[in-house]
Amino acid sequence: KQEVTQIPAALSVPEGENLVLNCSFTDSAIYNLQWFRQDPGKGLTSLLLIQSSQREQTSGRLNASLDKSSGRSTLYIAASQPGDSATYLCAVPLGGGSEKLVFGKGMKLTVNP
Amino acid sequence: DTAVSQTPKYLVTQMGNDKSIKCEQNLGHDTMYWYKQDSKKFLKIMFSYNNKELIINETVPNRFSPKSPDKAHLNLHINSLELGDSAVYFCASSARGTDNEQFFGPGTRLTVL
Repeated sequence: KQEVTQIPAALSVPEGENLVLNCSFTDSAIYNLQWFRQDPGKGLTSLLLIQSSQREQTSGRLNASLDKSSGRSTLYIAASQPGDSATYLCAVPLGGGSEKLVFGKGMKLTVNP
Repeated sequence: DTAVSQTPKYLVTQMGNDKSIKCEQNLGHDTMYWYKQDSKKFLKIMFSYNNKELIINETVPNRFSPKSPDKAHLNLHINSLELGDSAVYFCASSARGTDNEQFFGPGTRLTVL
């Protein structure tokens, strides 16, 4: 059974800090991992999808890394801004080519001006 | 705009009523999903359809019945609503055979009184 964990559940930082968000999963037989952002009262926005054959994926100030063997992914946010405040979720497919995504509970980020 | 859209955004209703939530995507995807996000913000998949065929059906009460009239639409009908059905329901879509990146709608907040 695939379980996804995100620790800590919440993080509050001053503006400008470089951040590392963690995601761990129990079954390393994944073919990709997806990071999402959820703003209060809104849907999920896909930030990055990293394939199992990749080690990193970058988009602007965001960089996601994947270490399948250790069951971990990190989302790096450079020079954080108040607009980055949101809940960040990671998700992995259940396995065996399944489209079913298993989500972590998310990490609520607050970037203070 | 290319997107996943849901209607209504908010739905408040009495216990015992029957209600429907509609979802449409114009991304040209062939797979659509319904997720439930409970009060603790935990996201879990409910159903998945590929080309109008049901491919994922989690342990969901049979009061919930998805209907896919075509590839671009996946509606969710709920009979005999209960208090525990109160949640935010998200529709999502992806293109099968690619990296299966999922794109989410804005959500429908259902409140059962």
